Amino acid sequence: DAKTTQPNSMESNEEEPVHLPCNHSTISGTDYIHWYRQLPSQGPEYVIHGLTSNVNNRMASLAIAEDRKSSTLILHRATLRDAAVYYCILNPNAGNMLTFGGGTRLMVKP
Amino acid sequence: EAQVTQNPRYLITVTGKKLTVTCSQNMNHEYMSWYRQDPGLGLRQIYYSMNVEVTDKGDVPEGYKVSRKEKRNFPLILESPSPNQTSLYFCASSLSGEAEQYFGPGTRLTVT
Repeated sequence: DAKTTQPNSMESNEEEPVHLPCNHSTISGTDYIHWYRQLPSQGPEYVIHGLTSNVNNRMASLAIAEDRKSSTLILHRATLRDAAVYYCILNPNAGNMLTFGGGTRLMVKP
Repeated sequence: EAQVTQNPRYLITVTGKKLTVTCSQNMNHEYMSWYRQDPGLGLRQIYYSMNVEVTDKGDVPEGYKVSRKEKRNFPLILESPSPNQTSLYFCASSLSGEAEQYFGPGTRLTVT
């Protein structure tokens, strides 16, 4: 199974942009790149996903490298409510098998 | 409101006493999954289902059973719970294999 590598933790200041990196050098051609986040005491929450092109939605942007071996989740203006663990996951588009790694714990300072 | 519900939210039980955790979604999703979350191990998939009567094992299926008799429901069954099944359990659903998953609020299970 293709795996992802993320930093264990990152810090950001409130109101500033945050770039959360993810490496997935063994990604296959049909793997979708998904990002979820988990706030304290809650279930994971979908953030964004993409296959090849960059994607934007109301929560974030996803920048995917041309070779697809890495991606970056961009929060344009971090708020205190964005403090969470962010997971980068490869979805093989086959049977809904998701493997969550350790994720990145994002801390947002006021 | 579109949602995934789980019951119970908290459960304390004893070793060997059969239990069922229910999961229901109101979004007409084809796919449903069960995960467990343990400190230091992250979220691991137990079982998933692609449609009614179609289920398959995830990463950690031992000691669990599931059934998918109706599209909206996907119960998790522990026939003979053991202390190593003490964990936080999440149910999730999605429209298709590559689509985003919607997670329930979680069920915290303690087996003594």
